[in-house]
Parts: sequence; structure tokens; C-alpha cells
Amino acid sequence: DTGVSQDPRHKITKRGQNVTFRCDPISEHNRLYWYRQTLGQGPEFLTYFQNEAQLEKSRLLSDRFSAERPKGSFSTLEIQRTEQGDSAMYLCASSRSAGTGGTEAFFGQGTRLTVV
Amino acid sequence: AQRVTQPEKLLSVFKGAPVELKCNYSYSGSPELFWYVQYSRQRLQLLLRHISRESIKGFTADLNKGETSFHLKKPFAQEEDSAMYYCALAGGGNKLTFGTGTQLKVEL
Repeated sequence: DTGVSQDPRHKITKRGQNVTFRCDPISEHNRLYWYRQTLGQGPEFLTYFQNEAQLEKSRLLSDRFSAERPKGSFSTLEIQRTEQGDSAMYLCASSRSAGTGGTEAFFGQGTRLTVV
Repeated sequence: AQRVTQPEKLLSVFKGAPVELKCNYSYSGSPELFWYVQYSRQRLQLLLRHISRESIKGFTADLNKGETSFHLKKPFAQEEDSAMYYCALAGGGNKLTFGTGTQLKVEL
């Protein structure tokens, strides 16, 4: 296990198209987080899962965004009808939940989305 | 609402000089604070967390609840410390609220 992996690393899409990103967390981690980072800003929380349950969604996550973690392992983040404002780095992180050891979040290298 | 403020976008110091990266937070509960670092072309990684009270790569950070601060310090900067540093606050579900980051540049 080499850590959190994300695919693809880069995605260029035309406005209006749908895109899907994948995140594979560290195998023993039951929590998985999605963040978005734009230029000059820190990562902003989008949503998180504990096992397969999506426990929280940020107001940043419009109805064009949907995330799943069907078997409590990998997760996908889909953006429908992309807009230029969706251009950003999408980061995935995973961690153990509190009470089961360290809760440090480990980050993937991100997927950079460019909407043209 | 929780908030993290890093007032400096860029901090430039000479090698061997002391470093202090500022971080202030706003949180109604008992905060859990972190410093994350991102070296060039690498992923975001944890540098240190306040509850462990460790010194990592010569960096320390003390939580000051009275001043709501968690400044990152190192007595003698090294060239390899050049990176982007983010202060972060853990809320419910351990989701993180990040500051806007400070780019540290260590000059020879």
C-alpha cells in the first residue's frame, strides 16, 4: 500500500461535460474525505464518508456534484455539466476514525481539473 | 463557524535565521490543530499536530488558547524547509479547515 492514490492526475474537459474522479484510500482507513483547492487557497472540505456512509456534505457541494463509496473502499466524485468555476485541484484523503488509533489524514496527490 | 487565518502569503528568510509562521484560529469547542506541509511537486503531508507535542524536522508549535494561536517555529531555517505550509483545524468527523497557506522561502 503506497498511500492514497487518485486517478486521473489531470483532466481537461469541455464545459458541460461530465467527469468522474476516483480515489483509493489506505486500505485500513474507514474515513475518506474529498477537498477542493483553488489557486491561492487552502483545501476546502467537500464531503466525507465513514465506511460506505456519506456523513457530511459541504454547502460547496452543489447538486451537480455527487460522491459515492459503494463498498466502503474506493470512492468516486462525479461532476455533471461542468462549469469553468469547477476548475480546481480535487484532493482525496483518508484516515482512521477517532478511538481506533491515530486520526491523521493522509492525502493523495490530487486530480487537477481544467474546464475549457 | 470554524476559521483558520494565516496572515502571510509569503515568508522569506535567510538560511540559519529563525522562522515563525503565524496561524490564528476561531473555534467554539476544544481545538485540534495541525500543520501540513507541501514540498514542491509532492502531496500534502502532516508536519505536526498539537496533541503530540513533538518536534518534527526541528519545527515546533504551541497551542495558545488565550491568543487562539498555533504558530509554527524553527530556530534555524534550512534550505530544504522551503515549501508551502498550511495550518489546519479539525472539526466534527475530523474534517479539516485549512488556512490559505504560507509559502516559506529559505534563501542562501
